[in-house]
Amino acid sequence: EAGVAQSPRYKIIEKRQSVAFWCNPISGHATLYWYQQILGQGPKLLIQFQNNGVVDDSQLPKDRFSAERLKGVDSTLKIQPAKLEDSAVYLCASSLLPSSGANVLTFGAGSRLTVL
Amino acid sequence: AQKITQTQPGMFVQEKEAVTLDCTYDTSDPSYGLFWYKQPSSGEMIFLIYQGSYDQQNATEGRYSLNFQKARKSANLVISASQLGDSAMYFCAMREVNQAGTALIFGKGTTLSVSS
Repeated sequence: EAGVAQSPRYKIIEKRQSVAFWCNPISGHATLYWYQQILGQGPKLLIQFQNNGVVDDSQLPKDRFSAERLKGVDSTLKIQPAKLEDSAVYLCASSLLPSSGANVLTFGAGSRLTVL
Repeated sequence: AQKITQTQPGMFVQEKEAVTLDCTYDTSDPSYGLFWYKQPSSGEMIFLIYQGSYDQQNATEGRYSLNFQKARKSANLVISASQLGDSAMYFCAMREVNQAGTALIFGKGTTLSVSS
């Protein structure tokens, strides 16, 4: 089974520029998550999709971050304009079902963003 | 309020020894799940072990076991017979089953260093 694919792996931009990250979940996984992991910290949820609908985006800074999951498969996370504090690894994860306690999230390798 | 606490920033162990990584959690939901993930320097989050709040037995997966003490709200990870490849960051995470969003909430992590 193919894993969660993310691209690009690395991106360096200047502040106030924009950037987009792409995620392709495991085939058949209905739930997709975007996490932000700042260096030295644990991942923090940005947004959760169930198919193509948003379940939780309470921690997404909506003035600069946006995300979509068209057709309930691939997802794109965009940052515009970027700030220095957005430097982090952006992790995409997917899972079969959202509501089962034992439901395991499978993560991609992440996209590392550096904002100069 | 912080829901997952990992108080050990770093742990050091010699090969073949056992090591315990601490995790405490806070929730008022009687139904929840606890997870441990490993993050090597490559960045990908790797699922290790799961414990449900109603599980009677402590979870085990190969060299990994979870010391679940419900009354103390702790879910420590025990790695037996450490190997050099166990050197990584380890994250404890929790899912509250009855919340609308069912993403995992992560602790800050513990860095494990295994020496020969």
